[in-house]
Amino acid sequence: GAGVSQSPSNKVTEKGKDVELRCDPISGHTALYWYRQSLGQGLEFLIYFQGNSAPDKSGLPSDRFSAERTGGSVSTLTIQRTQQEDSAVYLCASTRKGQGAPTGELFFGEGSRLTVL
Amino acid sequence: AQSVTQLGSHVSVSEGALVLLRCNYSSSVPPYLFWYVQYPNQGLQLLLKYTSAATLVKGINGFEAEFKKSETSFHLTKPSAHMSDAAEYFCAVSGASAGNMLTFGGGTRLMVKP
Repeated sequence: GAGVSQSPSNKVTEKGKDVELRCDPISGHTALYWYRQSLGQGLEFLIYFQGNSAPDKSGLPSDRFSAERTGGSVSTLTIQRTQQEDSAVYLCASTRKGQGAPTGELFFGEGSRLTVL
Repeated sequence: AQSVTQLGSHVSVSEGALVLLRCNYSSSVPPYLFWYVQYPNQGLQLLLKYTSAATLVKGINGFEAEFKKSETSFHLTKPSAHMSDAAEYFCAVSGASAGNMLTFGGGTRLMVKP
C-alpha cells in the first residue's frame, strides 16, 4: 500500500495474555519507529529500527515488551503477560532517513488500539 | 536530551477566530521542530517543520509557526479557524545528531465552535 499499515486496528485482550501488533512500513523506508499514545498523554517513544537492527530500544517500558523487524520491512511489537496499564494506542511510523535523526517527515500509521481487560 | 511542553491540553476558539497553540522546547543541541496534526481515528500528519532555514515556517491548511530561539518557542498559528481544523495537535523536537528520536509534547486538542 501507499501508507504505513498497522494491524489489528483494535485488539481487546484479557490481562495476562500475550499480544502481537504488526506494522508494515512504506516500501523503501529504512527507519521504523514505535510510539505509544495513552489516554491524556502525549506520544511516548518505544523503539527505533534502522533496517533490522534496533539501535535504540530505550523506550520499552519493561521486559514484557519486545519488537523485531525482518527483511528490513515488517515489524512486530509483542507484549507478553499484558497488564491493564498497557492499554493504549500503539503507533508505528517510518521514514526514508538513514541515520534516524528525523529531519524529514515521519509517516504514521493509524495505530493499533489495545484494550486490556 | 530534549523535551517539549505544550501549554493548554484543550483550546477552544470560534470559527473565524485566530488559532494560537503554544509550544516550548528544551534541547541541548540545535533543534529540529515539528507540528503534527491527528484527526479522529487517524494517524499523525505533518503540518510543518523547522530545520534551521527560515524562522517563519508555513505549513498546510494555512498554518504557520515561528521559531524563536530566545524564547525557546515554536508556537503554531492560523489567522482564521475553520471547523475542519478541530483535531489534536502535537509539537515535537529532534536533535540534529544521528539516532535522535522525535520527542513529542502532550498534545493540544483544538475545538472550533460555530
